[in-house]
Amino acid sequence: GESVGLHLPTLSVQEGDNSIINCAYSNSASDYFIWYKQESGKGPQFIIDIRSNMDKRQGQRVTVLLNKTVKHLSLQIAATQPGDSAVYFCAENAGGTSYGKLTFGQGTILTVHP
Amino acid sequence: DVKVTQSSRYLVKRTGEKVFLECVQDMDHENMFWYRQDPGLGLRLIYFSYDVKMKEKGDIPEGYSVSREKKERFSLILESASTNQTSMYLCASSPHRQGSEAFFGQGTRLTVV
Repeated sequence: GESVGLHLPTLSVQEGDNSIINCAYSNSASDYFIWYKQESGKGPQFIIDIRSNMDKRQGQRVTVLLNKTVKHLSLQIAATQPGDSAVYFCAENAGGTSYGKLTFGQGTILTVHP
Repeated sequence: DVKVTQSSRYLVKRTGEKVFLECVQDMDHENMFWYRQDPGLGLRLIYFSYDVKMKEKGDIPEGYSVSREKKERFSLILESASTNQTSMYLCASSPHRQGSEAFFGQGTRLTVV
C-alpha cells in the first residue's frame, strides 16, 4: 500500500537575510543542547551548544537561545549564505548518567536562495 | 581533529544476509553510538556503548546487535537483513562526561533488496 512519509519543516530565505530555526524539546531534565548541521551526503556537524544554566550563547554568525520555561530552543543564523543550506537538527542530553547520549529532533531544511 | 570513520559509504545486501557495519574513532572516546536516519524521523538511537564490551539498547534495537571488543571500534550487526532496514546508518563517538558533543562519521547508506 502507499506509505505516507513525514515531511520536515522547511525554511527558505534570501542570501543575506537572518534565519531562525526553532526546536521544541521534550525532556525537562535535559541539561545540555546542541545544534548540528547536516549537508547532503555527510554526517551531522557540530555548530553550537548551550547548557541549561544559560539562556543565550553566541558563536560566529550563530546564536542559540534557550527557553526552559516552554522547552524551546532556537538557532539564529546572521547574514545567511548559500553554504548554510542544509538540514539542521537540535539535540538534547538528559543529563544524570546519560553522558553523551543525545536525543535528536526531526530536523529543519534550510534553503538559501542567492 | 576528531575522526570517526565508517567502513563503507554505500552497501547493497540481500534479504536474510548478515551485515556488519564497522566504525572506528581515533580520539580515545569512551562513548560510541549507532544511529539510524530516515526521512522525516531524524536520528534514532539503535545501540550505544560506554566502554569496551559494554552495550546498552537505544530506542530501536530490534533486529540489530553490536560488538565493542576494542575501545576505538564499534560494530553494528544486522543478524538477518530485511528491507525495512534500508536506511542511512550513522556512527558517533563522544567523551564520557556531561556536556559532550558527539562526533559523527560520514554515514553508510544501506540498501537491502
